[in-house]
Amino acid sequence: AQSVTQLDSHVSVSEGTPVLLRCNYSSSYSPSLFWYVQHPNKGLQLLLKYTSAATLVKGINGFEAEFKKSETSFHLTKPSAHMSDAAEYFCVVTLYAGGTSYGKLTFGQGTILTVHP
Amino acid sequence: KAGVTQTPRYLIKTRGQQVTLSCSPISGHRSVSWYQQTPGQGLQFLFEYFSETQRNKGNFPGRFSGRQFSNSRSEMNVSTLELGDSALYLCASSLAGGVLDTQYFGPGTRLTVL
Repeated sequence: AQSVTQLDSHVSVSEGTPVLLRCNYSSSYSPSLFWYVQHPNKGLQLLLKYTSAATLVKGINGFEAEFKKSETSFHLTKPSAHMSDAAEYFCVVTLYAGGTSYGKLTFGQGTILTVHP
Repeated sequence: KAGVTQTPRYLIKTRGQQVTLSCSPISGHRSVSWYQQTPGQGLQFLFEYFSETQRNKGNFPGRFSGRQFSNSRSEMNVSTLELGDSALYLCASSLAGGVLDTQYFGPGTRLTVL
């Protein structure tokens, strides 16, 4: 079975400092991995996705994530946090498992990022 | 290109009633997935439709149903509402619902059951 664990429910940083949001996945097959962001009262926006090409994936707004198969991790980073980055972030996995994979994303529990001035 | 739209944005219902939510996908997208988001359970997959057929479903009771029309628009129906059905319901569209496809989400419908 596939699953995804976000290791921190809350992360707090100061503006201008680095951001690290941690994600580990469990999968029997090569997964596709995504990071989505949700601002308050908004839908989900795709930040970046990994689909077995380059292990370092660059996304929007300066975010990037590195796929590490040996550690089954897909941590999200940003060199310098901005106030507008405050939101909830979701690590998401999907993999091919026949008909049970169609259109199905499996979400982590989310990490709320707070950015202090 | 217009994004995914959902109507209505907010709904208030009472226990026992039924409700229908609507989702219009991005033009050209044929797959529509529905998710329920609650503080306790997080984001959970409800079902997916492609070419008017339900191809996949999550672990929800039969009170939750859906359909898709020939223009790929989708509706979700919840019958005999319970207090626990209060949630944000999100739909997402993708080209074909494959594992490599990116899903694009709508703003959601906030359902409150009293």
